[in-house]
Amino acid sequence: QVQLQESGPGLVKPSETLSLTCTVSGGSIRNYFWSWIRQPPGRGLEWIGYIHNSGSTNYNPSLKSRVTMSVDTSKNQFSLKLSSVTAADTAVYYCAREPATETPHHFDSWGQGTLVTVSS
Amino acid sequence: DIVMTQSPDSLAVSLGERATINCKSSQTVLHNSNNKNYLAWYQQKPRQPPKVLIYWASTRESGVPDRFSGSGSETDFTLTISSLQAEDVAVYYCQQYFSSPYTFGQGTRLEI
Repeated sequence: QVQLQESGPGLVKPSETLSLTCTVSGGSIRNYFWSWIRQPPGRGLEWIGYIHNSGSTNYNPSLKSRVTMSVDTSKNQFSLKLSSVTAADTAVYYCAREPATETPHHFDSWGQGTLVTVSS
Repeated sequence: DIVMTQSPDSLAVSLGERATINCKSSQTVLHNSNNKNYLAWYQQKPRQPPKVLIYWASTRESGVPDRFSGSGSETDFTLTISSLQAEDVAVYYCQQYFSSPYTFGQGTRLEI
């Protein structure tokens, strides 16, 4: 049973860069697509983008100019950086897995989520 | 982007009764090459991550009670809970993974 755990600062100042890491345990990070999804307090879900263990990425165009994802297969981790944050980026950030790669899939495993607040 | 619209926004159903949630996509999510609808349903309880219930529009995830079922094709989909239990109180989301960016419905809050 794969488990995902997000980690990173819970408070980021406006205009700075949000940085989060997702650690995958109980399974390999290889041969899957790994996504970041966020949820502002009391609101719905927004897909940020995904990364494959090969390093290939696909970002939501609405955030593409500010998003960078990376993967470290030796640590079974992948990361998110979101630059120039504003209060609108305050949200619970989830990491999640698509269970296969031959075609797009649903998200079958999710982390517990981490709340990131953007405030001075 | 494919826009996913759920109805209703909120729903109150008596215990043991049927609950029905609808989801409409702005474009088809049926892939002609494999005849699959790229549509999933999730359940989210307070302070928890979403949990997948249904994928490919009608395939129940392992371990999900069989009172949950999904139906529909192309642009119109339904999640049905045949006999509502107290533990089914949650917000339910549909999601399309037919094309990038993946998008979710706005959510339907289900109450007793």
